[in-house]
Amino acid sequence: DTAVSQTPKYLVTQMGNDKSIKCEQNLGHDTMYWYKQDSKKFLKIMFSYNNKELIINETVPNRFSPKSPDKAHLNLHINSLELGDSAVYFCASSQDQTAIGTYEQYFGPGTRLTVT
Amino acid sequence: GNSVTQMEGPVTLSEEAFLTINCTYTATGYPSLFWYVQYPGEGLQLLLKATKADDKGSNKGFEATYRKETTSFHLEKGSVQVSDSAVYFCASPNDYKLSFGAGTTVTVRA
Repeated sequence: DTAVSQTPKYLVTQMGNDKSIKCEQNLGHDTMYWYKQDSKKFLKIMFSYNNKELIINETVPNRFSPKSPDKAHLNLHINSLELGDSAVYFCASSQDQTAIGTYEQYFGPGTRLTVT
Repeated sequence: GNSVTQMEGPVTLSEEAFLTINCTYTATGYPSLFWYVQYPGEGLQLLLKATKADDKGSNKGFEATYRKETTSFHLEKGSVQVSDSAVYFCASPNDYKLSFGAGTTVTVRA
């Protein structure tokens, strides 16, 4: 069984479009994250939700809006896509956010977004 | 806040060679330290961790020792295989999130 799943795996779209990436975890974890990985493999956290509540909102353009309908899902909606949004987006989850030093994060397989 | 600095790659090795990837940390206190690995086309997965000073984490032949004297958590493997080709990330907790190093791409040639 897949622990953290993301759809789609690949997403090719044009500038100006709006797109969504979905994430689901079946681990029963309380905390979920979105990361962006650039072409040099640098990993940057974007958002974190704990029990559907937004905890971390890094300096991300407000074109990016996360939504957590329930504890097992964290979706990422991106409006007015730009060329610079091209990257691999990873969803992750962990059992507890407040004890982040104890609990590992489980990552999804990633969504490769290409904006043309 | 806490942060890690990781040696930059890429690193290319022959099979059975010795691998070391350096990681140093800056922290208040002694946070847990992690090494994550990302195989081609996949997400990151935890490779090993150490939760306190002098702890040694180990997994899949990899080891890293939490050394407070040198504020380091270097990753080592005595004999690498082609299947170890991946990107390796050092990480530490920082304000309810993980701070990752820049990642080191390792390629092992047969």
